[in-house]
Amino acid sequence: NAGVMQNPRHLVRRRGQEARLRCSPMKGHSHVYWYRQLPEEGLKFMVYLQKENIIDESGMPKERFSAEFPKEGPSILRIQQVVRGDSAAYFCASSPLQGNEKLFFGSGTQLSVL
Amino acid sequence: AQSVTQLDSQVPVFEEAPVELRCNYSSSVSVYLFWYVQYPNQGLQLLLKYLSGSTLVKGINGFEAEFNKSQTSFHLRKPSVHISDTAEYFCAVSKAAGNKLTFGGGTRVLVKP
Repeated sequence: NAGVMQNPRHLVRRRGQEARLRCSPMKGHSHVYWYRQLPEEGLKFMVYLQKENIIDESGMPKERFSAEFPKEGPSILRIQQVVRGDSAAYFCASSPLQGNEKLFFGSGTQLSVL
Repeated sequence: AQSVTQLDSQVPVFEEAPVELRCNYSSSVSVYLFWYVQYPNQGLQLLLKYLSGSTLVKGINGFEAEFNKSQTSFHLRKPSVHISDTAEYFCAVSKAAGNKLTFGGGTRVLVKP
């Protein structure tokens, strides 16, 4: 059973471009969480999704950021018109059930905005 | 809302010495508590968690933590560290059965030979 797979590991974008970050949860996991880690800081919750539904997006910036977890395929975190302040490590975690007791994290995507 | 404070941003320690990483939290409701480790360029790995029951929790790699409700603390300890324990350690809290973790700022442990 492979772990939580995130790709790409590193993503470089110029200001104004779009960034798409992918997360494939562990097999049998239908709950996906996205967290962002800014340099020298802890992780901050962004969004919680179940298949085809956004359950909690209280940590998502109001503009430019969106997330989806379709019935088939990976979860996608999309950042439109990236700015330098979006540079961070973005981590995905998955769980077979609601809550944090059985959460597994991926290795993250490091986004660098030039 | 919950918050987590990790009082030490960096902890240098000699190999085979003990280490304690401090974590204090605030919450108005019952919480679950977690310690994660992040090795360089990797994701987070769960070390241990407190959900209920015994306040002394044993985790992987010889780590343990004690939940102290009166002091709202969840300090992490290891009696004898290895070079391979060099990493960043994050304390996190969630509402009991909640959906999101609130992380502390992390403590960087550097084990010296």
